[in-house]
Amino acid sequence: AQSVAQPEDQVNVAEGNPLTVKCTYSVSGNPYLFWYVQYPNRGLQFLLKYITGDNLVKGSYGFEAEFNKSQTSFHLKKPSALVSDSALYFCAVDPNNQGGKLIFGQGTELSVKP
Amino acid sequence: DGGITQSPKYLFRKEGQNVTLSCEQNLNHDAMYWYRQDPGQGLRLIYYSQIVNDFQKGDIAEGYSVSREKKESFPLTVTSAQKNPTAFYLCASSNNGVQGNTEAFFGQGTRLTVV
Repeated sequence: AQSVAQPEDQVNVAEGNPLTVKCTYSVSGNPYLFWYVQYPNRGLQFLLKYITGDNLVKGSYGFEAEFNKSQTSFHLKKPSALVSDSALYFCAVDPNNQGGKLIFGQGTELSVKP
Repeated sequence: DGGITQSPKYLFRKEGQNVTLSCEQNLNHDAMYWYRQDPGQGLRLIYYSQIVNDFQKGDIAEGYSVSREKKESFPLTVTSAQKNPTAFYLCASSNNGVQGNTEAFFGQGTRLTVV
């Protein structure tokens, strides 16, 4: 079965330190990959996507993600975390490369402390 | 101001009652989706529609129904057959396979609670 895994339910980081939120997927072919962020009781906001090309993609709010085909991973990174980055982060995969029919990971709660 | 509007933001349902969640988009997207979010489970696809007057079941369609009579609108009905409807419901839309422009845009969600 196709799946997306975010191995950490929670990630704790001090403000100013780099952060990484991990994502691996089990989907055949060359799917599109996405990261979304969710603030409490709100919808999902798009951060970035990988379709093809450079393995390092840059997105909104200083976030970037590194695609590794051999490890089927798409980890989210930021060089210097802000308290305002604290939120729930979702990795998602589009197996058919057709738009919003996505398979989501279970989410990772990011907590950035001052 | 373009986007996806979901209403209401909060909804309370009595046992045995059907309720309808509204989703409207003005992004001119062909495709629309309904997801259900439960704590610790990520989002799961309920129904999706890639074109007007057509829709398909997602992974957890039992107890739900939809219609797509207009491009802009994709209402979701939670029927009495849905045994555990308390959840956060998210509507999304996207272009259909347009290269490089495929990310989904989400509404702000409706929190449904059974009382």
